[in-house]
Amino acid sequence: AQKITQTQPGMFVQEKEAVTLDCTYDTSDQSYGLFWYKQPSSGEMIFLIYQGSYDEQNATEGRYSLNFQKARKSANLVISASQLGDSAMYFCAMREPNSGGSNYKLTFGKGTLLTVNP
Amino acid sequence: DGGITQSPKYLFRKEGQNVTLSCEQNLNHDAMYWYRQDPGQGLRLIYYSQIVNDFQKGDIAEGYSVSREKKESFPLTVTSAQKNPTAFYLCASSIDRRTGGPLNTEAFFGQGTRLTVV
Repeated sequence: AQKITQTQPGMFVQEKEAVTLDCTYDTSDQSYGLFWYKQPSSGEMIFLIYQGSYDEQNATEGRYSLNFQKARKSANLVISASQLGDSAMYFCAMREPNSGGSNYKLTFGKGTLLTVNP
Repeated sequence: DGGITQSPKYLFRKEGQNVTLSCEQNLNHDAMYWYRQDPGQGLRLIYYSQIVNDFQKGDIAEGYSVSREKKESFPLTVTSAQKNPTAFYLCASSIDRRTGGPLNTEAFFGQGTRLTVV
């Protein structure tokens, strides 16, 4: 079973509008971290935002916010006021404890290709 | 500036040959990872290392080998046993939680190496 599920292979949004990219996850651990990364066509991975499993408030970083619904195990990324430069692949990822108790294994979803139209 | 350097950016290999991808970081991170990215597959974990002289298999380790003789370096060898080696390879590093890093430690990525078997 997949740990991270991104159900939208591709999304389109008009410039200046908001868009939500979906992410659901599967874990039995109580302590975990959720991340979103952006990958432009150049291939580099850019960290966008983080949400901890114990965080009571949704994370925000500039135009990025994370809609965290713990009971539903979802961590959707919301991009407000889309810009042409936001066109890229977006990956949701989860960090959870391994058998040694160290939180360093990072598992990624398959990604969503976002296209911002002018 | 601190960061992760992968080399080369593009690599061509003849079928049946081993090839080694370089990954160096000067961020003083304990944990390092290798991911493989194929179109539509997202990032899949090949190997990871928490500390020098120790590493663990990820989800798709068959046909690959690694070493961690120095904290700064985590080279990946793609062996002739890897049946479909053509892919984009990404190296990453992060603070290991056990050495005092917080849970919200994102992974920092290199620019990637695109390997093509000819």
